[in-house]
Amino acid sequence: EAGVTQFPSHSVIEKGQTVTLRCDPISGHDNLYWYRRVMGKEIKFLLHFVKESKQDESGMPNNRFLAERTGGTYSTLKVQPAELEDSGVYFCASSQALSYEQYFGPGTRLTVT
Amino acid sequence: GQSLEQPSEVTAVEGAIVQINCTYQTSGFYGLSWYQQHDGGAPTFLSYNALDGLEETGRFSSFLSRSDSYGYLLLQELQMKDSASYFCAVRSNSGGYQKVTFGTGTKLQVIP
Repeated sequence: EAGVTQFPSHSVIEKGQTVTLRCDPISGHDNLYWYRRVMGKEIKFLLHFVKESKQDESGMPNNRFLAERTGGTYSTLKVQPAELEDSGVYFCASSQALSYEQYFGPGTRLTVT
Repeated sequence: GQSLEQPSEVTAVEGAIVQINCTYQTSGFYGLSWYQQHDGGAPTFLSYNALDGLEETGRFSSFLSRSDSYGYLLLQELQMKDSASYFCAVRSNSGGYQKVTFGTGTKLQVIP
């Protein structure tokens, strides 16, 4: 069974540019989460999808971040326009309904210069 | 809101036992999870405690005391490959949703 995949693995962009991160969860997992880890700090929750619906987006830092999960399959996280403080590793995770175990993807390392 | 505290770094000798503590403050607590993350890798699930007591899985054990808002991860017979960051994570009810909040992680270095 394929795990959670994320694309790209690395992205280097300039301040003011736009970047779109993609996450493909494990097939059949209704729950999809986005997290961000800035170096040395906690894995910070961004938002949670249940199928195609945003269950909780309280962790999204501001309106420069837009997440979608059309059709309840893969998800995208767009940052527009990117700022220096957006740099970090963005993780996606998925889980089955009512399960406490989350399966993480390898992450996308975003560097904004 | 939720907050978790765990040591930032721990060093232990190969073959020894190490305990990584986690204290938390939250309302609507459901349970405490532990994840392992090797440098450059994805966090991987280790354990989950919803009830008080010790859960053992091979060389790793996890403990929870709900009354003390405290848990720990115990790693026995340490191996070099155990060098990684370990995160505790609280699962709680937040505004009607189940939410997972991670700590800042403990970087474990296993030395020969």
